[in-house]
Amino acid sequence: QVQLVQSGAEVKKPGSSVRVSCKASGGTLNNYAVNWVRRAPGQGLEWMGALVPLYPASGYAQRFKGRLSISADESTSTAYMDLIRLTSEDTALYYCALSASFLRGDGLDFDSWGQGTLVTVSS
Amino acid sequence: QLMVTQSPSASAALGASVKLTCTLNSRHINYAIAWHQQQPEKGPRFLMKVNSDGSHIKGDGVPDRFSGSSSGAERYLTISSLQSEDEADYHCQTWGTGIEVLFGGGTKVTVL
Repeated sequence: QVQLVQSGAEVKKPGSSVRVSCKASGGTLNNYAVNWVRRAPGQGLEWMGALVPLYPASGYAQRFKGRLSISADESTSTAYMDLIRLTSEDTALYYCALSASFLRGDGLDFDSWGQGTLVTVSS
Repeated sequence: QLMVTQSPSASAALGASVKLTCTLNSRHINYAIAWHQQQPEKGPRFLMKVNSDGSHIKGDGVPDRFSGSSSGAERYLTISSLQSEDEADYHCQTWGTGIEVLFGGGTKVTVL
């Protein structure tokens, strides 16, 4: 099964941008839909968006459109999440997650998760 | 429009059973869902996918005491023989026909 390792914690100023990486080992990203999910303090999981590198195709949750970009570098099996115009409300743990089912036409359930990256937005 | 609802909390005694419910929109009665467990200070872990007919496919290494079932628009996760390590948040995930995903608010399970 593929293993996902994310980049380290980040501290950002309001109005700035952040990039979080997610490196896959034991498989190619072309076999998956790559998703980004976050969990803010005291909240549940929130899906942000996904990229299907093979097609390629992407989808973003409405509240992140225009601020979020998901990309992937197949040569390094690494996916990226770029979020711009950060505010304190973006302080959260960010997770990458893979869905193997999507390319089989069998749903978008997540069967692999990264360990999480803490992003803190503070002045 | 996708909708998914979970009770915010549940509790049961050590060694007992607990059944968690994830409720879909009545128009999505045929949709599958996935259950994920998130223990304190850890990332989520995929537990299983539950189909509308009640069949379920578990993730690697998920103990037998975790099982899934369905009834109408409700999808269930039953944890039997509760262990202390089962104290966690349990998240229900569903998805649309395209690239669209929605999580329920999560259920916090307390082992008494």
